[in-house]
Amino acid sequence: QMQLVESGGGSVKPGGSLRVSCAASGFTFSDHYMTWVRRAPGKGLELVSYISSGGITTYYADSVKGRFTISRDNAKNSLYLQMNSLRAEDTAVYYCARDRGYNYAAFDVWGPGTMVTVSS
Amino acid sequence: EVVLTQSPGTLSLSPGERATLSCRASQSVISSYLAWYQHKPGQAPRLLIYGASIRATGIPDRFSGSGSGTDFTLTISRLEPEDFAVYYCQQYGRSLYTFGQGTKLEIK
Repeated sequence: QMQLVESGGGSVKPGGSLRVSCAASGFTFSDHYMTWVRRAPGKGLELVSYISSGGITTYYADSVKGRFTISRDNAKNSLYLQMNSLRAEDTAVYYCARDRGYNYAAFDVWGPGTMVTVSS
Repeated sequence: EVVLTQSPGTLSLSPGERATLSCRASQSVISSYLAWYQHKPGQAPRLLIYGASIRATGIPDRFSGSGSGTDFTLTISRLEPEDFAVYYCQQYGRSLYTFGQGTKLEIK
């Protein structure tokens, strides 16, 4: 059974840092691009960052560029998002999601999400 | 960057009715890279359709996707109570993934 489980969310003050993790199981993690998608209160889905299967290529939304860093450890089947200089507008549920690949681009496996709250 | 515009913003229908949701792209999208998701409060988003028209595993056949180029449609043939949610289209192109702003499907 393919599964993603996020951890590491919580409350942090503006300017603070947080690292969220995503543990994958039930599939060959190293075969897939992985992404972080967030949903802020009252807003739609926003792709925050993605990383290629080997970890060479990364992308960041303009809203987080220079503050967030995505990484992966294929030996541990894990995905990470290091979030620095956090702002109130980063408050959201953060989901990790798998791109199914194989000539299609769609996020077919999602974690349940982890809440990040940035507030003084 | 390809911008996806979904319409309507909110759709009010009754169970048993047909729902038609639109997703228009600012530039042509490769059909293989167009997907639709359902999102309910407190749950993870769920992939419904990928490749513009292919139902994901376990998705009922009342859900169907169509379209090409810049115009795509998600149709729910006969609404069930559990279908009321927010729906998003998403595309991948030029190394970027983008989502539409969503259509909220609410009970009339």
